[in-house]
Amino acid sequence: DIQMTQSPSSLSASVGDRVTITCQASHDITNYLNWFQQKPGKAPKLLIDDASNLKTGVPPRFSGSGSGTDFTFTISSLQPEDVATYFCQQYDDFPYTFGQGTKLEIK
Amino acid sequence: QVHLVQSGAEVKKPGSSVRVSCKASGGTFSTFTISWVRQAPGQGLEWMGGIVPIFGTPTYARKVQGRVTITADESTSTAYMELSSLRSEDSATYFCASGGDCGGDCFVYRFDYWGQGTLVTVSS
Repeated sequence: DIQMTQSPSSLSASVGDRVTITCQASHDITNYLNWFQQKPGKAPKLLIDDASNLKTGVPPRFSGSGSGTDFTFTISSLQPEDVATYFCQQYDDFPYTFGQGTKLEIK
Repeated sequence: QVHLVQSGAEVKKPGSSVRVSCKASGGTFSTFTISWVRQAPGQGLEWMGGIVPIFGTPTYARKVQGRVTITADESTSTAYMELSSLRSEDSATYFCASGGDCGGDCFVYRFDYWGQGTLVTVSS
């Protein structure tokens, strides 16, 4: 199985800060990578697929980059409503696997 | 717009089985990719398997293979996930997810739309 190593596991930042989360795959997954946002008690929400494709309706402060094994998720200016847990996921090969998650809080 | 509605919470005894349903609307169900993902309390996400109804043959994660059965009923636009030989560690919220119509790439499961989740509690 492809292992997804996501860091950090938790993060505290101030409103307006630039926030970066990384995800490393154990094998080359080209660009088959999703980023999800999950708020407590809710289903995950797909923010970015194909590593850098921002989904319709998602604010442009969210972005993704990378290919191969190393990927980055960025929030350019943190907003209070961005408090959530963020997950990466590879869909290059079965079984699809997720990173451990990053819990993002406001300082 | 695709909408997924799951069945309600379940409480099951160890060793029993549970079946969770996921009814889709807003598209051509037969060409949807449907995945099942679970999340134990306070834990991360685990992909269990998936199906494209028009193909009919599901794909399963090795960890649950042998205990999970994923099916799809095109007549009712409903997907099902049945998990057998339940144990306490199967207690989790189970989600269905879909990319909607897979178009020309039905071998890649996408996750644009999610059901609301079904809490399954396994307890004696």
